[in-house]
Parts: sequence; C-alpha cells; structure tokens
Amino acid sequence: DAGVIQSPRHEVTEMGQEVTLRCKPISGHDYLFWYRQTMMRGLELLIYFNNNVPIDDSGMPEDRFSAKMPNASFSTLKIQPSEPRDSAVYFCASSLVSIHPYFGEGSWLTVV
Amino acid sequence: GESVGLHLPTLSVQEGDNSIINCAYSNSASDYFIWYKQESGKGPQFIIDIRSNMDKRQGQRVTVLLNKTVKHLSLQIAATQPGDSAVYFCAEGFPSGTYKYIFGTGTRLKVLA
Repeated sequence: DAGVIQSPRHEVTEMGQEVTLRCKPISGHDYLFWYRQTMMRGLELLIYFNNNVPIDDSGMPEDRFSAKMPNASFSTLKIQPSEPRDSAVYFCASSLVSIHPYFGEGSWLTVV
Repeated sequence: GESVGLHLPTLSVQEGDNSIINCAYSNSASDYFIWYKQESGKGPQFIIDIRSNMDKRQGQRVTVLLNKTVKHLSLQIAATQPGDSAVYFCAEGFPSGTYKYIFGTGTRLKVLA
C-alpha cells in the first residue's frame, strides 16, 4: 500500500501567486481530510470530504482557500492569492468510516 | 516583534524506562480517541486508538487509558527506546457522523541514552 501521496513536498512561492497542493488518498478510503500545521496553531482541520462531497469546510481560513475532490482518487487545495501567513505544512489524510485517518508526508509551503 | 508559538510540553525519559504522556480532551460527547506519533519532517503516524465504551486498550509496547469522568487520555510506552523520540498527539473524534477529528497541541518525548 503506497499510503496517502501528496505533492509537491516542498514549495516556495512569492506572495500573490496561486498555490495548488495535491493529494491522492489511499484506494478505497471514503473520507479525505486537509489539515494545516503551524507553530502558532498546531494541527488544524481545514476541510473534509465524504465520498468526494465536502462535508465541513468551517476550518478554511478565508475565501482565498478552496478545496476540490473531483474523484475518489484525487483532491486539491488551492490558495489564491497566497500570503506569507499561509506558510505552513499542509497535510492530507484519508480514512474509512469510523477508522483513524492515515496521513501523508505533507506539503511544506513557504510564501515569501 | 517576537513570535509566540505553541508551548510544547517536553517529557524526558531515560532509555528503558516507561513513558506516560497525558492529554485532556474538550468534548464530553467525543466517542473515539487516537494517539499519533510525529517525527521531524514527517506526517503523523497512527499508534493506537480507543472508543468511549472502553477504559483501556493495549498494543505492542503501548497502552492507552481513557477516563471519561475527567476527560483525560494517557499513552503509556513501555521500555522506551531512542526511536520513540518524537512529538505525540492525541485526537478526539466527535459523535458518529461528523468525523471531525480535533488534535491536541502535542507533547515532545525525548529519550535519553
């Protein structure tokens, strides 16, 4: 099992640019989560999907953030325009119903 | 100005000793609890979980204890090894149907040789 796959692993971008983070969940999992980790706020849930449908996006910081899941094997998290305060590690995780999420290795984003 | 980050409590343990990491959770309606281990530069890795209808669950070298009365969770690691050095997070899952896992701030475990 390849686990949850995220790309890119590292990204450095300039303020104002669009950032797209990608995630491939574990095959067969029907829940997908996007988390953000910072020193200031720890690990925060941004949004989660069930069967490709967004269920709770109350953690999405503002309209600059958007997430999609066009099919069961792919999800994106976009930030447009990016700001320095968006610098963080973004984790994607997936799970089966009632089972703990499995996390990817994260996308390390730096906005300068 | 100076940035203020989360204060991560640190537990230092001698190699071979047992470690106990504690966690207070927030929602009395939470019914599923998870412990994760996060090594530097990596994603959180599942260790063990427990449901609210249990008080204790054991895995390989790890035991999780749940006290619902005081909303407290603990992770016990037996015979701590250098490879156990990491940040440990507890997560609480809200009532069935939401799957909104909320993570604690974490505890850093340092294993002393």
